[in-house]
Amino acid sequence: GAVVSQHPSWVICKSGTSVKIECRSLDFQATTMFWYRQFPKQSLMLMATSNEGSKATYEQGVEKDKFLINHASLTLSTLTVTSAHPEDSSFYICSATQTSGTYNEQFFGPGTRLTVL
Amino acid sequence: GDSVTQMEGPVTLSEEAFLTINCTYTATGYPSLFWYVQYPGEGLQLLLKATKADDKGSNKGFEATYRKETTSFHLEKGSVQVSDSAVYFCALSHILTGGGNKLTFGTGTQLKVEL
Repeated sequence: GAVVSQHPSWVICKSGTSVKIECRSLDFQATTMFWYRQFPKQSLMLMATSNEGSKATYEQGVEKDKFLINHASLTLSTLTVTSAHPEDSSFYICSATQTSGTYNEQFFGPGTRLTVL
Repeated sequence: GDSVTQMEGPVTLSEEAFLTINCTYTATGYPSLFWYVQYPGEGLQLLLKATKADDKGSNKGFEATYRKETTSFHLEKGSVQVSDSAVYFCALSHILTGGGNKLTFGTGTQLKVEL
């Protein structure tokens, strides 16, 4: 199956700093990428959907200025958590999909654990 | 809005036991239904799917049937193995305008299989 990587796998940062997380599709071109957030023992919450070359579509309640998403190429999307605070500590997961037909399987990255001190 | 409810874990079973993980959903229209599995340290992987009522998805000995009348998609396996230990997520999707699909997940159920 298709492989999606995330970097870094975990990161610890100080409150007020910004952190960038990369999501790459390694063996296919991803026209659409998704960013999720997962709290302990809770489901994955969709944060935003990004299409290559256009602005991301954010879900209701997700701050666009805090969670900056860039999908500059067909194999790379980045999520930048700006001015991070302890409440932003979470597990962030990306997925990628190719657009073909009506149903497109999402391939998931392994996730990035963010801890803000 | 759409929602998925699945049984809380962890579920602990002995090897070769029968597995059922319940999943029910609330959605408008006719969503597709999925089970994803997440092994330790890995990303979510699609386990099986069903796209319309009465469809049965199956893979690696796991099965689930799309029951519209009960809005359910319960995951079953006749004989679990230690290697099946993982977290299982039930999900539904709707097709997005312009292609692609938006997934709504349940909270996940951790399965532990012991010898």
